[in-house]
Amino acid sequence: GESVGLHLPTLSVQEGDNSIINCAYSNSASDYFIWYKQESGKGPQFIIDIRSNMDKRQGQRVTVLLNKTVKHLSLQIAATQPGDSAVYFCAERVGGSQGNLIFGKGTKLSVKP
Amino acid sequence: EPEVTQTPSHQVTQMGQEVILRCVPISNHLYFYWYRQILGQKVEFLVSFYNNEISEKSEIFDDQFSVERPDGSNFTLKIRSTKLEDSAMYFCASIGQYNQPQHFGDGTRLSIL
Repeated sequence: GESVGLHLPTLSVQEGDNSIINCAYSNSASDYFIWYKQESGKGPQFIIDIRSNMDKRQGQRVTVLLNKTVKHLSLQIAATQPGDSAVYFCAERVGGSQGNLIFGKGTKLSVKP
Repeated sequence: EPEVTQTPSHQVTQMGQEVILRCVPISNHLYFYWYRQILGQKVEFLVSFYNNEISEKSEIFDDQFSVERPDGSNFTLKIRSTKLEDSAMYFCASIGQYNQPQHFGDGTRLSIL
């Protein structure tokens, strides 16, 4: 089973570099996936989403890749900035178009100036 | 941009007391959710609500929990007799239409003494 606790995976990057944050999801029937950014003391903030009939989606400075074969999501952030420092969560939706979200454990991104 | 707002930002309560957490979802949204996040852990689904009734609930959402939409704007989570392990951040979320990402409030930090 999945471990729980206070330890979050951490990714430390230099300002201006590209960041890649990975996530494994659990349910092969999930049809919709979202990346959220959470800053200290704030709620999850929507970044980008992707439906299961796609394998790539691009936004402003962010790209999400979906590999359904291995149940893997990644978030790529181009030209990472200090303001990108936060905890990033992937979430999969279960139970249809208004279904609840199952969140991953999160990755802490630290951007060094 | 419209926001989900939650009050209070921090609630301190004695164990065994009742607590009500309040949320004002985005005004034209129809589907409402409560999640919680124990310190350092991932966000966990509690309950979803649509058309004045519960749509889904998790194992966490036991008989001590209830939700209500008392008027056209507020959405509340009540914990009848709080326990130490109820200490967490509680997030409200809402969506307006099918296949839209859930928008989260900034949460209420609940501390049980």
